[in-house]
This record gives sequence, structure tokens and C-alpha cells, in this order.
Amino acid sequence: KNQVEQSPQSLIILEGKNCTLQCNYTVSPFSNLRWYKQDTGRGPVSLTIMTFSENTKSNGRYTATLDADTKQSSLHITASQLSDSASYICVVSATGNKLVFGAGTILRVKS
Amino acid sequence: NAGVTQTPKFQVLKTGQSMTLQCAQDMNHEYMSWYRQDPGMGLRLIHYSVGAGITDQGEVPNGYNVSRSTTEDFPLRLLSAAPSQTSVYFCASSLHRLAGVEQYFGPGTRLTVT
Repeated sequence: KNQVEQSPQSLIILEGKNCTLQCNYTVSPFSNLRWYKQDTGRGPVSLTIMTFSENTKSNGRYTATLDADTKQSSLHITASQLSDSASYICVVSATGNKLVFGAGTILRVKS
Repeated sequence: NAGVTQTPKFQVLKTGQSMTLQCAQDMNHEYMSWYRQDPGMGLRLIHYSVGAGITDQGEVPNGYNVSRSTTEDFPLRLLSAAPSQTSVYFCASSLHRLAGVEQYFGPGTRLTVT
């Protein structure tokens, strides 16, 4: 069964600290992996899209990694800001562009 | 560009009532889709469309109808609302359906069925 599991479910960090969110998937055949940021009361917004051949991709203070062999991805946030408080969703696309969504990690950045 | 717009933002229905959630995009995207988001679960695909006049079912289509008469609009109809349809609904669009194409989401409609 195609599944995407994210950990932790929620996380609280102090402003300025770094954090890493995890995504494990069993989706096959794999096409690409996306990370989205969803602010409270808003729709998801894309942070990165990674294909099979990409190991690392950055978008400002956000860096995503992908290990297609172990079917794991991580999203690293550097020097967190209050505006980083949101839900972060990992989405894996199978061939035919069927998207499988993770339940998300809720991040809260405290001052 | 306004991107993807959805109306209404909030809606409360009684069981058995019907309503239409509106979705529009001004990016000339071929592919549009509807998702529902429930607590503790990932977004689930309800219906999608690859172009005007073409629609198909997603993962959880029961109780919902769609049509796509124009490229811009993709309304979602609830025929007879049930409490199980209480959820947040997101419309999304992308240039086409192929893998790796950026998908843009609307702001969502929060629906409560009592």
C-alpha cells in the first residue's frame, strides 16, 4: 500500500534554532517528492520538488534531502523564525502523478 | 494573477442540504482537482479534471459531483450533505497532470455539517 509517514507529529523549537523533519514513504514506482508549507487557515505552498536523481535541494533556509534507496526524505530548517510556524507536508508522487500526502508535522517556533 | 480562488471561506450546512463550493483559477491551467483535509490525515483526492469537459474520480468521490465547463472554473457539488463531509476542502490547479509540475492550492473552504 502506498503510504507516506512523517515524524515527529509536532515539534516546538526556539527562534533561531535549527530543526529537521522526517518523511518515510513506501510509494512505488517513485516519480518525485515534494515538501509543502501550510500556514494555519491557508492552502499548502510548495517549498521543493525533488526527482529520483536529486539528493539535495534548497529554498532559502529550507533544505530537503532525498535518499531514494532507503525511501527517506528530510526537511532541514536553518535559523528558524516565528514565521516558520506551520504544518509541513511531505507528498510523494507515483508514476501517473498520483499524489500520496503525509499527515504533516506541525512546527511551532517560540520566541 | 489571483491564482486559485475558492468561495465561500466558511459554510455550515444541515444534514441533507446541498451546496456548491466554487473554485476558479486564472493561470490557464489544464489540470484542476479537489481535496479534503481531515485532522491527522493527509489530503485525499475527491475528483479531478484534465481539461474542460473531462472529469474523473479520485480516492474519495462518494457524495460529491463535479463538472468543468470552462478552463477557469471547477465547482464541487455536495448533493445531500452528511456529517462525515465535515472537512476543509482545497481546490488545486497545475499546468498539466504530468509528474513534477508545480501544483497551486486555493485558500480552502471549511465546511461543517450538523
